Amino acid sequence: AQSVTQPDIHITVSEGASLELRCNYSYGATPYLFWYVQSPGQGLQLLLKYFSGDTLVQGIKGFEAEFKRSQSSFNLRKPSVHWSDAAEYFCAVVPLGGYNKLIFGAGTRLAVHP
Amino acid sequence: DVKVTQSSRYLVKRTGEKVFLECVQDMDHENMFWYRQDPGLGLRLIYFSYDVKMKEKGDIPEGYSVSREKKERFSLILESASTNQTSMYLCASNSARTESSYNSPLHFGNGTRLTVT
Repeated sequence: AQSVTQPDIHITVSEGASLELRCNYSYGATPYLFWYVQSPGQGLQLLLKYFSGDTLVQGIKGFEAEFKRSQSSFNLRKPSVHWSDAAEYFCAVVPLGGYNKLIFGAGTRLAVHP
Repeated sequence: DVKVTQSSRYLVKRTGEKVFLECVQDMDHENMFWYRQDPGLGLRLIYFSYDVKMKEKGDIPEGYSVSREKKERFSLILESASTNQTSMYLCASNSARTESSYNSPLHFGNGTRLTVT
């Protein structure tokens, strides 16, 4: 079945540490790929997206993501986490031919220790 | 700056009531969406609309209907609310006028937390 998997429900890191949030998808062809962030009490904000081309994508707030076709993954990374990065992060895909229908993963909640 | 406004932040309704959730966007976007967000399930698409009076079912349309009489407003209707519809509801919009709709990011409202008792 087509799906988006975020294996980690909760992650805790120390401020200043590096971060990697995992995302895997299972679709026949490479879909369009997105990462969104939801701060407490807020709607979702787009961090970055991948459609084609360079597999390392830069986003806002110092985040980047790398698309790996062989692993069907699109992991989100940040070299040094700030306390304000505490939020919930969602990986999402639009399957080819899926028009605007984003399919979201279950989310990863990030906590940041001072 | 794009603004998507959901009329209520919190809503408490009784089982069997008819419930209206309202969403307004101010950027003349063609596409509007309703999602529900539940812990451990992420966001699931209920309905979307790509033009006035046009609508398409998402992944979980059962128990819901929508209305889009004006371009800026997209309403989600629970005809007879049930306790399993207790959830966070998120409205979103984007433009269809770019080269590809995928290049137009979704703009989300802050959500309506609905409790059905």
